[in-house]
Amino acid sequence: AQSVTQLDSQVPVFEEAPVELRCNYSSSVSVYLFWYVQYPNQGLQLLLKYLSGSTLVKGINGFEAEFNKSQTSFHLRKPSVHISDTAEYFCAVSDLENQGGKLIFGQGTELSVKP
Amino acid sequence: DTAVSQTPKYLVTQMGNDKSIKCEQNLGHDTMYWYKQDSKKFLKIMFSYNNKELIINETVPNRFSPKSPDKAHLNLHINSLELGDSAVYFCASSHLRGTEAFFGQGTRLTVV
Repeated sequence: AQSVTQLDSQVPVFEEAPVELRCNYSSSVSVYLFWYVQYPNQGLQLLLKYLSGSTLVKGINGFEAEFNKSQTSFHLRKPSVHISDTAEYFCAVSDLENQGGKLIFGQGTELSVKP
Repeated sequence: DTAVSQTPKYLVTQMGNDKSIKCEQNLGHDTMYWYKQDSKKFLKIMFSYNNKELIINETVPNRFSPKSPDKAHLNLHINSLELGDSAVYFCASSHLRGTEAFFGQGTRLTVV
């Protein structure tokens, strides 16, 4: 079965520092990959997606992610974080062929940006 | 001009009661979902409808019954609520199955 592992449950970082949130997935078929952000008491907002094409994907708020098929990874990066980036980040995968297109989510990574 | 809206945002109720959560999307999407987020923030799909047809029904107790009167609406009815049903329930929609889903703001259900 499809699974997604976010390797860090919490990532504390100082403002203006770079950050990487790690995500690995298990799949033997083509998948779509997503990163979502959840601010406190809010819904999920799409940061970026990989459907096909270039393996480097740019999203909103200065985030980007790189799809690495050989390592089955889709790590999220930002070169310089702001206090406002403090939130929960979720990596997700969908496998239309086998799973009806549902999103399988990782456990989430809490990004905490300190001044 | 909310894309995916759910009501109510908060729901506090006693064990044994029956409650409904409503969801509407104005994006013209064909597919709608219900996801459950537990107290550890883990998100898991419950149901998915495509053009009013149920296509995903995860191992959810049959006390949970989704209904889709048209492709813009997907409601969730829960019978005989239990303490363990306390969670945040998210409605979502997507244009094509498997592509990005747009989420509502969530309904925080607390069963006391």
